[in-house]
Amino acid sequence: DAKTTQPPSMDCAEGRAANLPCNHSTISGNEYVYWYRQIHSQGPQYIIHGLKNNETNEMASLIITEDRKSSTLILPHATLRDTAVYYCIVRVKRSNDYKLSFGAGTTVTVRA
Amino acid sequence: AAGVIQSPRHLIKEKRETATLKCYPIPRHDTVYWYQQGPGQDPQFLISFYEKMQSDKGSIPDRFSAQQFSDYHSELNMSSLELGDSALYFCASSSPLRPGNEQFFGPGTRLTVL
Repeated sequence: DAKTTQPPSMDCAEGRAANLPCNHSTISGNEYVYWYRQIHSQGPQYIIHGLKNNETNEMASLIITEDRKSSTLILPHATLRDTAVYYCIVRVKRSNDYKLSFGAGTTVTVRA
Repeated sequence: AAGVIQSPRHLIKEKRETATLKCYPIPRHDTVYWYQQGPGQDPQFLISFYEKMQSDKGSIPDRFSAQQFSDYHSELNMSSLELGDSALYFCASSSPLRPGNEQFFGPGTRLTVL
């Protein structure tokens, strides 16, 4: 799996958009970008994934650059409950199995 | 919606004792994963099962073993416990029918070895 690089921490004001960058310059053509988050001591939670097109769901938006070497997760209106560690993970999307390799994510603190 | 169930939620053991952690995946999910998260650490993959067969293995100590049963639940057996085994143990499940093949995590079992 390609290695990812994320900033160790960032602050965000409640109600504002949070933009979380991730570099994955060695990503392969068949690897997807996944985002998970972990609220303190809870099980990690899937947020979104994408291959090369921008994606949006009820939780967030994912913007992937045209060369696919970096991406940005956008939380459109951050709330205090979005305070968590956010992990950007690059992996092949096999149909039956593939482990997640959690690296050092970004600790996001949303402030009132 | 049904989620991944893990039991027990908390477990306290003495050194050299054994422990068994249980995981009940979301219905119709055929793949189960186990992760270990030490204090201040990121989750680390231990082992996974697909259709009751071991499918991948990570940094799981030889003292640990796991299996997936016919009803798809899984158990992680830990023997000769050491202080360093104190951690949160997460189970996750996934289904190939979901387009993202994303993993759904349980609430975890907090194991404390004294």
